[in-house]
Order: sequence, then C-alpha cells, then structure tokens
Amino acid sequence: GAVVSQHPSWVICKSGTSVKIECRSLDFQATTMFWYRQFPKQSLMLMATSNEGSKATYEQGVEKDKFLINHASLTLSTLTVTSAHPEDSSFYICSAPRTGLYNEQFFGPGTRLTVL
Amino acid sequence: SQQGEEDPQALSIQEGENATMNCSYKTSINNLQWYRQNSGRGLVHLILIRSNEREKHSGRLRVTLDTSKKSSSLLITASRAADTASYFCAEETSGSRLTFGEGTQLTVNP
Repeated sequence: GAVVSQHPSWVICKSGTSVKIECRSLDFQATTMFWYRQFPKQSLMLMATSNEGSKATYEQGVEKDKFLINHASLTLSTLTVTSAHPEDSSFYICSAPRTGLYNEQFFGPGTRLTVL
Repeated sequence: SQQGEEDPQALSIQEGENATMNCSYKTSINNLQWYRQNSGRGLVHLILIRSNEREKHSGRLRVTLDTSKKSSSLLITASRAADTASYFCAEETSGSRLTFGEGTQLTVNP
C-alpha cells in the first residue's frame, strides 16, 4: 500500500521556539493533505487542509498564524508550530488521500511534540 | 464540526469473544471508515463502507451501516490479545475530509 512519512517522529523544544513537521507521500502525488492533532486519550481533530499551490484551509478555532502550513510540492506538506507553548504539546498526524476508484486515505505515523 | 460519538468508550473482553463497537454521525456522508490505533502510533485503515452499502466483511471484521439512523457498527469476531487498541470511526464528507468519532478503547485479555 501507499506510504506517508512524517519527520521528525518526536521533538522536544523550549517554549517560544518554532518547530517544523514534514509530511511526505512517498509513492504517490497528493494535491491535498490533512493535518490532525490528537491530545492524550482523545480522538483526532482536523486542524487544516493543505492544498498544493494554494493557501491552506483552516478549521474553525485553529490559528493560521500559529500553525503555518506550506504545501511545497505534490509530495510534501509542512506544518510549522510557531512560538510553541506547552499547551501545543500534542501528537500531530498528517494524511494524504490517493485519488482513484476508492479515494483511499493514508496516514503518517505521527509526530509527538513536547514543549517545555 | 462536531465529532461523532462512539460507544462504548472502553470495552474489555476475553480472548475469543466478539467485540462490537458502535458509531453515530451527524452529516450526510460519502462513506464511513474504521481505523485502528495502537497507543502512541499512527492510524491503520481497517475498512471502508460506502453510503449505499449496508454491510461489509473483511476477515474477522464486519461493518454495518444504517444511513437512516446515521449509525455504524464494527464487529471483531474471535478477538485476540493483539486486537487491543483504540478503534475510531471516521465519516468522509466532501473533499475527502474525515471527521473522527471519539473512539473506543478495546482491551482483549489473554
């Protein structure tokens, strides 16, 4: 099956710094990718839709200036958490749908962010 | 958008028993999907059922969909300890957007 990778798999940073997370579709092109956030023992919450060649679409309540998304190519989307604070500590997961007969969606392994 | 609901939130069974998890959703869907997540890991796609389908099987998994009640169920038969994980339903709407349910934590005791 298709593979989506994320890098890094975990990161620890100081409060006030910015952290970039990469999401790559390894064997298919993705014009759209999705970014989710998951707090411990909770479900995934969609943060934004990353669109290649255009601006990202953010879900209600998600600060676009804090969570910068850049869909640099058909295989790469990045999420930058700017001026991170401890409350941003979470598990960030990306996904990419592969268009076709069944429009399967493939998830990355996630990135654990801890802000001290 | 509001997340769908799943019940039970937690389920503990013995190996060999069947596990049933239920999901309710709120909008019109293209399809409904079920995922599995081991603790601290990414999601694994289990099965997809389209809005015009009522039942689907895959190995030990059986999924039903009732669009009139906006509900779905996932049945895992002959459970194994390795089935221990969190299970999420996700409704797909336009543009491949997925809205996840709250999840069921399944524990299968050996």
